[in-house]
Amino acid sequence: GAVVSQHPSWVICKSGTSVKIECRSLDFQATTMFWYRQFPKQSLMLMATSNEGSKATYEQGVEKDKFLINHASLTLSTLTVTSAHPEDSSFYICSAPYPTSGAAHEQYFGPGTRLTVT
Amino acid sequence: QQQVKQSPQSLIVQKGGISIINCAYENTAFDYFPWYQQFPGKGPALLIAIRPDVSEKKEGRFTISFNKSAKQFSLHIMDSQPGDSATYFCAARSNYQLIWGAGTKLIIKP
Repeated sequence: GAVVSQHPSWVICKSGTSVKIECRSLDFQATTMFWYRQFPKQSLMLMATSNEGSKATYEQGVEKDKFLINHASLTLSTLTVTSAHPEDSSFYICSAPYPTSGAAHEQYFGPGTRLTVT
Repeated sequence: QQQVKQSPQSLIVQKGGISIINCAYENTAFDYFPWYQQFPGKGPALLIAIRPDVSEKKEGRFTISFNKSAKQFSLHIMDSQPGDSATYFCAARSNYQLIWGAGTKLIIKP
């Protein structure tokens, strides 16, 4: 199956600082990537859709100035949490649709990044 | 209309038993229904998926049953093993976006 990597796998930062999370598709190109956050024992919440070469599309209620997304190439999208606060502590996961035969694009997920803001 | 309702919230099954998780949806525009398995601290992993023109799909011990008229689909895990203990999410796709169920925490008792 397709491989999506994330870096770092976990990060601890101080309140007010910014943190960048990378998402890479390792063996395929992805013009679109998705960013999710997940709180403990909850489902995944879509934050934004990252589009290569254009602006990201944010879901309602997600602050685009706080969660900066850059899709610089066909294999890399980054999420920067700016001026992080303790309430931003969460599990952030990216995914990318992989084109398979029959056009049933399957989404493959990265391993996630645990962000803790102190 | 974009919701996917998943049940039960948690499930305990004896080793060797059958685990059944159900999902229901409203939006008839959904065109792809995957199930994901997630272990603690890990990203979800695609387990099995089905398209609405198929009523059943089986891969090893995992089977999806799909009822288009009832707008329901379910995951059956046969011969459940302790290693199957995880959280399972159903999802439905619309325009490449996935709408997620709330998840089911499955515990397989040895």
